[in-house]
Amino acid sequence: AQSVTQLDSHVSVSEGTPVLLRCNYSSSYSPSLFWYVQHPNKGLQLLLKYTSAATLVKGINGFEAEFKKSETSFHLTKPSAHMSDAAEYFCVVSGIIRTYKYIFGTGTRLKVLA
Amino acid sequence: DTGVSQDPRHKITKRGQNVTFRCDPISEHNRLYWYRQTLGQGPEFLTYFQNEAQLEKSRLLSDRFSAERPKGSFSTLEIQRTEQGDSAMYLCASSLRLAADTQYFGPGTRLTVL
Repeated sequence: AQSVTQLDSHVSVSEGTPVLLRCNYSSSYSPSLFWYVQHPNKGLQLLLKYTSAATLVKGINGFEAEFKKSETSFHLTKPSAHMSDAAEYFCVVSGIIRTYKYIFGTGTRLKVLA
Repeated sequence: DTGVSQDPRHKITKRGQNVTFRCDPISEHNRLYWYRQTLGQGPEFLTYFQNEAQLEKSRLLSDRFSAERPKGSFSTLEIQRTEQGDSAMYLCASSLRLAADTQYFGPGTRLTVL
């Protein structure tokens, strides 16, 4: 079975400070892992994905994530938050053979303070 | 724009009525997924098509729900005899057939059942 746990439902940071959004996963298969962002009234946008290549994955808008198999984690980071980063972030695991359907975490709402 | 499109974007209906949503995937994508997202939750998998074949349905998809993809291109999701618990955002995504390919999401259809 596959599952995803996002450890924080809300995170607040000041503009210009680092962002850390935490995600732990469980998978019976070799997983593919993704981070998506959802701005209000907008669709889900892919930030980055891990598919068993490099464990440090760089995404769009300065975000990156590190796959740590020993810790079953895939935390999302950004060195310096921008006001436009305020949104809902979802960690996703995939890899179920044949369907490759996504299993989503419950989301982390990021608030960026001026 | 050649992304995934969904129609309508918003639907308000009365309990007991039938509704139908449409999804147009990215043209060369042969996999199509439907997800449902309720307030404060991550999206949950409903069903999956590869070309015109519906290959998996979630237990979330009761008998009142039906999905089709008649020519392997656009898809429809119909809900019969809507209930207030059906109120949610219905998301469509598409991907190429290759394993672990990224799913690209449409903007969603927000259903409100009064």
